[in-house]
Amino acid sequence: RKEVEQDPGPFNVPEGATVAFNCTYSNSASQSFFWYRQDCRKEPKLLMSVYSSGNEDGRFTAQLNRASQYISLLIRDSKLSDSATYLCVVISRGNTPLVFGKGTRLSVIA
Amino acid sequence: NAGVTQTPKFQVLKTGQSMTLQCAQDMNHEYMSWYRQDPGMGLRLIHYSVGAGITDQGEVPNGYNVSRSTTEDFPLRLLSAAPSQTSVYFCASKASGAVSYNEQFFGPGTRLTVL
Repeated sequence: RKEVEQDPGPFNVPEGATVAFNCTYSNSASQSFFWYRQDCRKEPKLLMSVYSSGNEDGRFTAQLNRASQYISLLIRDSKLSDSATYLCVVISRGNTPLVFGKGTRLSVIA
Repeated sequence: NAGVTQTPKFQVLKTGQSMTLQCAQDMNHEYMSWYRQDPGMGLRLIHYSVGAGITDQGEVPNGYNVSRSTTEDFPLRLLSAAPSQTSVYFCASKASGAVSYNEQFFGPGTRLTVL
């Protein structure tokens, strides 16, 4: 089983839709969780960290379920500019490498 | 701050040639790493370093060498380029230590083609 698994998509949604991505991780010792965003032919950039109690940043909500070992990202009121690949990232402790999922591609259509 | 810089942006090599991909950061980050990204494969870790003088192998280290003589620089050397090393290479850095929520910053990438 891969350490971090994501549905590759693509998810094609109309503007204004709500879309959710899930990501599962296999290492129960994982401490920290993130969602990164990568635009076409660009470097990945941090979208948001995922905290145990769940957290929200504008239209984006991230949640963590440690018991089932998955994290989720919910995007409300999708914009054309949300079109990108969303990478799920897990780390077991501070000085260890980040483990990236392969990414989920989102296309928001007018 | 310039953040993480990589040179060159594009490179074409012939099979068997060697070259060094440069990476530098000006954020005084101790942790640096190199990834390659191929279609359908996601980001795969090549090598990483937790501080000057310390390096370790990642998931796909074969054919690559690294060194970390300073905090700022983390060059990646291709010893004898092969077509299988055609890829986009990203360098990244983050503050290290026990705080595991430190953001990892990526450079803009180097697009390498090996003929």
